[in-house]
Amino acid sequence: GAGVSQSPRYKVAKRGQDVALRCDPISGHVSLFWYQQALGQGPEFLTYFQNEAQLDKSGLPSDRFFAERPEGSVSTLKIQRTQQEDSAVYLCASSLSGLDFANTGELFFGEGSRLTVL
Amino acid sequence: QQQVKQSPQSLIVQKGGISIINCAYENTAFDYFPWYQQFPGKGPALLIAIRPDVSEKKEGRFTISFNKSAKQFSLHIMDSQPGDSATYFCAARRSGGYQKVTFGIGTKLQVIP
Repeated sequence: GAGVSQSPRYKVAKRGQDVALRCDPISGHVSLFWYQQALGQGPEFLTYFQNEAQLDKSGLPSDRFFAERPEGSVSTLKIQRTQQEDSAVYLCASSLSGLDFANTGELFFGEGSRLTVL
Repeated sequence: QQQVKQSPQSLIVQKGGISIINCAYENTAFDYFPWYQQFPGKGPALLIAIRPDVSEKKEGRFTISFNKSAKQFSLHIMDSQPGDSATYFCAARRSGGYQKVTFGIGTKLQVIP
């Protein structure tokens, strides 16, 4: 597709379960970001990849959160032993450029994966 | 901590009126200030953006005003329409390194006929 694709769109998990959220960025986009958006809040940065390299994971709230992008394209955000406070929309965004600031750096977001932890 | 402060959190404007959303930042390393628009069930989409070397940027009915000395910027939506009803996020990106974008809390705009 032409845009950023995320799956599943909706996920309900019981507390303690592990979940995996997938992001398929726009083809050729170097940068990939994961954001967490709680209800009524702005997106909060979780982690950043440039190609397959995870250059910043400072926003991951705990060691239960893990992200990977092994081939520099599709990315997976994994949350282990989910807690109720993990309930949020997880947004993936991609951008054409990497460390080179020549471009505007526009972020293209997917529609998000809404996680509800019961 | 909230690096980009946004207000108001909600706004109701009559059709044809002007919608104004304000943002302020502290980090002087920020060098790019985009506004994103988000409709329910969708991801944010870039609306308009400005760099600190200009004081104003206009695209159609949307204008960003930027005050570098005050570290404030605002979005004005002229002739607001019901189709503009959405949540608007101001954001900022720091210079150097990669394009990490920090978002404000968002303003839910409702334009009533």
